[in-house]
Amino acid sequence: EAQVTQNPRYLITVTGKKLTVTCSQNMNHEYMSWYRQDPGLGLRQIYYSMNVEVTDKGDVPEGYKVSRKEKRNFPLILESPSPNQTSLYFCASRRTLGGEETQYFGPGTRLLVL
Amino acid sequence: SQQGEEDPQALSIQEGENATMNCSYKTSINNLQWYRQNSGRGLVHLILIRSNEREKHSGRLRVTLDTSKKSSSLLITASRAADTASYFCATVSPTGIIFGKGTRLHILP
Repeated sequence: EAQVTQNPRYLITVTGKKLTVTCSQNMNHEYMSWYRQDPGLGLRQIYYSMNVEVTDKGDVPEGYKVSRKEKRNFPLILESPSPNQTSLYFCASRRTLGGEETQYFGPGTRLLVL
Repeated sequence: SQQGEEDPQALSIQEGENATMNCSYKTSINNLQWYRQNSGRGLVHLILIRSNEREKHSGRLRVTLDTSKKSSSLLITASRAADTASYFCATVSPTGIIFGKGTRLHILP
């Protein structure tokens, strides 16, 4: 089954404690991205990756890091989480950018930073 | 960055009525897509309309696109309780995919 998986689904942490949210897709997609969703602000892109070892900042990259060492995985790293990073996070993938392919979303990770 | 803007932000209608949501955007696009999101879950693709198309249908969904006005609309006919969700438009251009803030649709029994 084609899917995007994220782990963990729910996470409560404290300010400053490094965390990683994993994202994996099994569709051999080149393009992957991370979004955060906040009430009244919709989905905002954090980082995206066009292919292995190719990553770029989205609209709200501050406080986040990503890596793309393998095509299927695109982890999101919060080196020193702060309360303003409390949000609902979505990973997404698509075959390429700019075409007619749809974007597949993971189930979301709800993060609370105390 | 440019962003699609949905209108209205929230919409409540009676079951069986039609629901119309609008989306405006700012840049040239390759295509425009509509997604649905059930509460707290990932977005699911509904329908895509190319920049050279004006109207597209899929089941109870009808999408229109007016590139001169940079706007699109999503019509859901004969709404059902299960249609209660948030709906997002996403514009696809060579530089990226931009999502709007969404319209929250609530279908009343």
